[in-house]
Amino acid sequence: NAGVTQTPKFRVLKTGQSMTLLCAQDMNHEYMYWYRQDPGMGLRLIHYSVGEGTTAKGEVPDGYNVSRLKKQNFLLGLESAAPSQTSVYFCASSRSGEIHEQYFGPGTRLTVT
Amino acid sequence: GEDVEQSLFLSVREGDSSVINCTYTDSSSTYLYWYKQEPGAGLQLLTYIFSNMDMKQDQRLTVLLNKKDKHLSLRIADTQTGDSAIYFCADPLGKLIFGQGTTLQVKP
Repeated sequence: NAGVTQTPKFRVLKTGQSMTLLCAQDMNHEYMYWYRQDPGMGLRLIHYSVGEGTTAKGEVPDGYNVSRLKKQNFLLGLESAAPSQTSVYFCASSRSGEIHEQYFGPGTRLTVT
Repeated sequence: GEDVEQSLFLSVREGDSSVINCTYTDSSSTYLYWYKQEPGAGLQLLTYIFSNMDMKQDQRLTVLLNKKDKHLSLRIADTQTGDSAIYFCADPLGKLIFGQGTTLQVKP
């Protein structure tokens, strides 16, 4: 089992460029999440999905879009990158059910210049 | 909305005990969690406590929950350099709400 993987690991974008971050999990988890981590602010939920074909907004959804066309994949898109989106992005997945043990990917470090 | 607060930094000497504190504003969650993030890695669930428990002990880890004061703490006994990490408390109110994280620095 690879667990949760993220592609790419690092990326530098210019303001206004677009990109897609890919998250994949091989644990047959129903739920998937995208977080951003900024110094002193912990993790903030961007969007999440409770199953294939579903998405929902988290705490900081503006400037991001997501899609969950396949159960194992959760894509995070930035249509027009801004310097404020410089961050480390983490994907996570979990089973449905009461104990929300989330399994995290290794993170993607994104810099927008 | 729900808020989870932690102090940002703790420094201890190897062999000492570490106590990481967390306060939360909502008391309806069934569980509260502690996650650990090692440098350059994602988060891993370290331990959790049921909301009807006051204490949970797991080897070197002790979790204390004071529901009246909405206070959660994580005690690490005999702290080792390998315990250096960022520790997050989290409240699963619908979706996980994380504190800001406490960076634990262990000095040899």
